[in-house]
Amino acid sequence: DADVTQTPRNRITKTGKRIMLECSQTKGHDRMYWYRQDPGLGLRLIYYSFDVKDINKGEISDGYSVSRQAQAKFSLSLESAIPNQTALYFCATSVSTGTSLNEQFFGPGTRLTVL
Amino acid sequence: GEDVEQSLFLSVREGDSSVINCTYTDSSSTYLYWYKQEPGAGLQLLTYIFSNMDMKQDQRLTVLLNKKDKHLSLRIADTQTGDSAIYFCAESITPGGKLIFGQGTELSVKP
Repeated sequence: DADVTQTPRNRITKTGKRIMLECSQTKGHDRMYWYRQDPGLGLRLIYYSFDVKDINKGEISDGYSVSRQAQAKFSLSLESAIPNQTALYFCATSVSTGTSLNEQFFGPGTRLTVL
Repeated sequence: GEDVEQSLFLSVREGDSSVINCTYTDSSSTYLYWYKQEPGAGLQLLTYIFSNMDMKQDQRLTVLLNKKDKHLSLRIADTQTGDSAIYFCAESITPGGKLIFGQGTELSVKP
């Protein structure tokens, strides 16, 4: 079984709809992240959470919100989807080790299309 | 601010060496990373280098770090078709903190 899972894997929706993307992990990691990937722009951080009670904005949080329901679950919501939110979305996890290394483990991605 | 830059495409022939380059702006980076994204999949950590090192070798992979020029490179020796993927350079500014990714370099290996 995959350690980091994302649902759905593909979603097509219409402008103005509310969408939730879900991420679950069985790695026991405390840190979770949401990124979006656009061609030529790489990965950009949307939100991140270092533990259940900690939520932080990334570089492109406008139009998105998140919920950390449990250590293993981190959901990303688009309150009112717009076409420029069409992208590939990745969830990632890492564990705080007390060192400087931050190895992140990625889910398989959710391809979202907003018409 | 923090910025990581990579060229978008690289094409090589099978058996040749590939060199993927990356520049970064923040000299306080602690670790620098190379992630690999195979088609239709998420990213996987390929290798990393601590900022006080100049070079790291791991089988066919060689990472070179030039701190003065803020330049990082990944060399893949004897490139195979299975190496075709997008390679992302990333840095962490604060120890154990969030990562800043480059745009990704798409490596195409031709037989």
